[in-house]
Amino acid sequence: EAGVAQSPRYKIIEKRQSVAFWCNPISGHATLYWYQQILGQGPKLLIQFQNNGVVDDSQLPKDRFSAERLKGVDSTLKIQPAKLEDSAVYLCASSLVRALPTDTQYFGPGTRLTVL
Amino acid sequence: ILNVEQSPQSLHVQEGDSTNFTCSFPSSNFYALHWYRWETAKSPEALFVMTLNGDEKKKGRISATLNTKEGYSYLYIKGSQPEDSATYLCLTGNGNKLVFGAGTILRVKS
Repeated sequence: EAGVAQSPRYKIIEKRQSVAFWCNPISGHATLYWYQQILGQGPKLLIQFQNNGVVDDSQLPKDRFSAERLKGVDSTLKIQPAKLEDSAVYLCASSLVRALPTDTQYFGPGTRLTVL
Repeated sequence: ILNVEQSPQSLHVQEGDSTNFTCSFPSSNFYALHWYRWETAKSPEALFVMTLNGDEKKKGRISATLNTKEGYSYLYIKGSQPEDSATYLCLTGNGNKLVFGAGTILRVKS
């Protein structure tokens, strides 16, 4: 079974530029998560989708971050404009239909973003 | 704000040593706790999901216990190997709201 795919793996941009990350979850997984992991901290949930609807985006900085999951499959996370403090690893994960706390989340390899 | 704490922050052990680390969490309204292993340049990998007080899970040389009344889980590694070097993360919280701890970085020297 193919895992969660993410691209790019690495990205370096100047502050105030825009950047987009792409995620393709495991086939058949209805729930998709985007996390931000800053060095020295645990991954922080940015947004959770159930199919193409948003379940939780309470920690998404909506003035600069946006995410979409068209057709309930792959997803894009965008930052516009980027700030220095956005330097982090951005992880995408997916889980089966129910999105219960007991569901195992399957992670992609992440995108490491450096903002200069 | 949910507070999930992991200790120690980092650990250096010799090959063959056994080791353990802790995940502490609010005990009220507990639902589930997950342990993940995250090796450098790879995807975080699920180790265990634990739901019941007194739960004990085992996978090869790695095992985990859960105490929901006092709000902690231990992860044990018996006979550490260099390939066990990784960051170990726990994910838990209240009800449907799960939060990751900051992780324990394990380095095993050969």
